[in-house]
Amino acid sequence: EAQVTQNPRYLITVTGKKLTVTCSQNMNHEYMSWYRQDPGLGLRQIYYSMNVEVTDKGDVPEGYKVSRKEKRNFPLILESPSPNQTSLYFCASRPTFFPRDGYTFGSGTRLTVV
Amino acid sequence: RKEVEQDPGPFNVPEGATVAFNCTYSNSASQSFFWYRQDCRKEPKLLMSVYSSGNEDGRFTAQLNRASQYISLLIRDSKLSDSATYLCVVNAGRANAGGTSYGKLTFGQGTILTVHP
Repeated sequence: EAQVTQNPRYLITVTGKKLTVTCSQNMNHEYMSWYRQDPGLGLRQIYYSMNVEVTDKGDVPEGYKVSRKEKRNFPLILESPSPNQTSLYFCASRPTFFPRDGYTFGSGTRLTVV
Repeated sequence: RKEVEQDPGPFNVPEGATVAFNCTYSNSASQSFFWYRQDCRKEPKLLMSVYSSGNEDGRFTAQLNRASQYISLLIRDSKLSDSATYLCVVNAGRANAGGTSYGKLTFGQGTILTVHP
């Protein structure tokens, strides 16, 4: 089944403890992206990647890192999480760079930083 | 002004009703437009793309007005299963000097629809 898989689905962590949220897609998509969703603010892009080893900042990159060593994987790294990073996170991919292609989203990761 | 604005609702309608959502965007250079649907606590899913001539998919009709910079979604004969949040999504516009902004999609906050018996 074609899908984007995120793990974990739920995570509660403490301030400052490094964590990684994994994202993997099995559709050979070139373009991958991370979003966070907060009440009243909608979905905001954190980072995106147009292909292997090509990543760039989105609208809210502060406090996050990403890597794209393989086409299928695009992990999101929080080196020192803070409470303001409590949010619902979505990984998404689409076939190419071109926006006419619709996104396929992962099921989401609900992160709480205490 | 936000790049993409939607009336957050909520819209509460009876089954069988026709409901319309509007969305405005600020970047006149935007070129691609979409409607996504998001069920509670789940991931957004592409509902339909929006084309300049307008397009229809069953009970759903999407229209684009470039002059006024708004997009609409019309749902006819509403079903209970249509209850969800509807997200308006717009491509950021033409490429910048780095050629990367073209790929970005900007999401509206979403409009909540509840269809009741």
